Amino acid sequence: QKEVEQDPGPLSVPEGAIVSLNCTYSNSAFQYFMWYRQYSRKGPELLMYTYSSGNKEDGRFTAQVDKSSKYISLFIRDSQPSDSATYLCAMCKAAGNKLTFGGGTRVLVKP
Amino acid sequence: DAGVIQSPRHEVTEMGQEVTLRCKPISGHNSLFWYRQTMMRGLELLIYFNNNVPIDDSGMPEDRFSAKMPNASFSTLKIQPSEPRDSAVYFCASIHRDSADTQYFGPGTRLTVL
Repeated sequence: QKEVEQDPGPLSVPEGAIVSLNCTYSNSAFQYFMWYRQYSRKGPELLMYTYSSGNKEDGRFTAQVDKSSKYISLFIRDSQPSDSATYLCAMCKAAGNKLTFGGGTRVLVKP
Repeated sequence: DAGVIQSPRHEVTEMGQEVTLRCKPISGHNSLFWYRQTMMRGLELLIYFNNNVPIDDSGMPEDRFSAKMPNASFSTLKIQPSEPRDSAVYFCASIHRDSADTQYFGPGTRLTVL
């Protein structure tokens, strides 16, 4: 079993809908949780990061971490076609430490 | 800042040939990571360096893979001899050791081994 599990999708939604993404993990030592966005043929770019449990909001993006359930989520409000990409969750045990990635969820936002 | 720079962007080679991938991290970043991404296995960490010293190479698939970081501004990942199953996109990323939220990825090198 992988340390970090993520549904590969694809997840197809109409423009303006809320996109809901999530990952589960097995290692309770993870403390930092990130979401990366990766466009086709590009490198991943950091969207959000959260330390320990809680919520964090940045514009249309909200990240949630529930360490008790080992479950993290990313919500994208008012989705746009430009949000179409692969979203990867990642986590690590300490600042600057190596990241363990989920497999990524491909999201398609249709106009 | 130019970001993380990788070269070449694309590499096509024949089985058995030596392949060298190059990375220039962001100036001031003191940790560097090499990842490999495939459809089947996703994004996997191969090796990472702190202050030019290899810290964890447990992800390096086998002895055919080697990585070096001779100074703070340059790293190489070498595959010798290359095999078709090495075909993947190889990413380099850099980070300031004390900042968990600043790991920046390069554009990747797409390697095809025929």
